[in-house]
Amino acid sequence: SYKLTQPSSVSVSPGQTARITCSGDLLAKKYARWLQQKPGQGPLMVIYKDSERPSGISARFSGSSSGTTVTLTISGAQADDEADYYCYSAADKNLWVFGGGTKLTVI
Amino acid sequence: EVQLVESGGGLAPPGGSLRLSCAASGFTFSIYTMNWVRQAPGKGLELVSSISTSNSNKFYSDSVKGRFTISRDDAKNLLYLQMNSLRVEDTAVYYCVRDGLRSFGSDDFYEVDYWGQGTLVTVSS
Repeated sequence: SYKLTQPSSVSVSPGQTARITCSGDLLAKKYARWLQQKPGQGPLMVIYKDSERPSGISARFSGSSSGTTVTLTISGAQADDEADYYCYSAADKNLWVFGGGTKLTVI
Repeated sequence: EVQLVESGGGLAPPGGSLRLSCAASGFTFSIYTMNWVRQAPGKGLELVSSISTSNSNKFYSDSVKGRFTISRDDAKNLLYLQMNSLRVEDTAVYYCVRDGLRSFGSDDFYEVDYWGQGTLVTVSS
């Protein structure tokens, strides 16, 4: 079965750029999706199809892909960006595989 | 506006049952695959069950197979998850999710996934 690997935590200073990676063989053939989850809230999709941004999501969020690694980039990080971020993708029969999640801290 | 509203969570004893519902609005419910994803306290996300359009395909994770049943009512825009023989390890927030990926033969079309706010299921004696 496929596995997606994310760093458990990333720290960034306010106004700087945060990059969160997600790696796995699945990503070489399937698009990645990214979720933002704040404490006590439901998840919110911030990137789909590797780099597409849903309507209403800040342009500070962007996604990119290279081989078996995808990257979520948050430009000009703000305190409000502090959250858990999950990557996921559709594997066989379009069934979802999730990364373990990355806690972003803005300090 | 797309909305997914879960209900039916609560406290159940080990071996008990619960039925989760998800009311969908703001989109054509019948043409999307729908998923239930859960998150145990302090843990990551896990796909529990999935149902494709026209009820043609259903998936269950190994951890719930034989105990949970997914169904949908396209006329009422409702998604269900019948949970039987509950275990302590089923304790989690359960999310109803619209899968934005629509496949037609070898062609895939990508739209946004939408997640509900979740409903908490607690299994405890």
